[in-house]
Amino acid sequence: DAGITQSPRHKVTETGTPVTLRCHQTENHRYMYWYRQDPGHGLRLIHYSYGVKDTDKGEVSDGYSVSRSKTEDFLLTLESATSSQTSVYFCAISESATGTDTQYFGPGTRLTVL
Amino acid sequence: QQQVKQSPQSLIVQKGGISIINCAYENTAFDYFPWYQQFPGKGPALLIAIRPDVSEKKEGRFTISFNKSAKQFSLHIMDSQPGDSATYFCAASGSGANNLFFGTGTRLTVIP
Repeated sequence: DAGITQSPRHKVTETGTPVTLRCHQTENHRYMYWYRQDPGHGLRLIHYSYGVKDTDKGEVSDGYSVSRSKTEDFLLTLESATSSQTSVYFCAISESATGTDTQYFGPGTRLTVL
Repeated sequence: QQQVKQSPQSLIVQKGGISIINCAYENTAFDYFPWYQQFPGKGPALLIAIRPDVSEKKEGRFTISFNKSAKQFSLHIMDSQPGDSATYFCAASGSGANNLFFGTGTRLTVIP
């Protein structure tokens, strides 16, 4: 998985609790992304980062926040988890954002919100 | 609104047969069309990709056919093998980090 790790790999939590997912890369790529994968929707971009402390929203950003304090780490936070945020979350990285640059995906985190 | 429409949702093919997955898009600004392959419990991985200036790209048993005027593209897997059983996602992108859009995925099962 191209030097990308995600933690935890599985998590079960209750509605209303905060949750933080971590993505760690060893490739020194500038761009990092958080996607969610749901049946019938494919993968949808939540947030992305184009450098340390530089982040922007994706297609489905409501209810999520991100932070990137180091090149290698990108955190996704659900401030108050809801059942609609039950999903598989993937982190991805890329060297640039030219459109043709390959995005490499991590192994995913399966989150269940009860 | 789904930027890239993909069909079928699932596909069962006999070993040695041809698997065909179809995708369509509307945004003419898209200029790169990758296909990703995902095995259970893993993240998606780039399989093959095409630019709209060519009508076909072949890598081994995998071929992308691209019809720019119809805004459609498809993945053909020749001589399908059980090891090809996976979920396949088509995608389309333009320039910019927030400009990669995925289809809904096709679960391919190749029966021995």
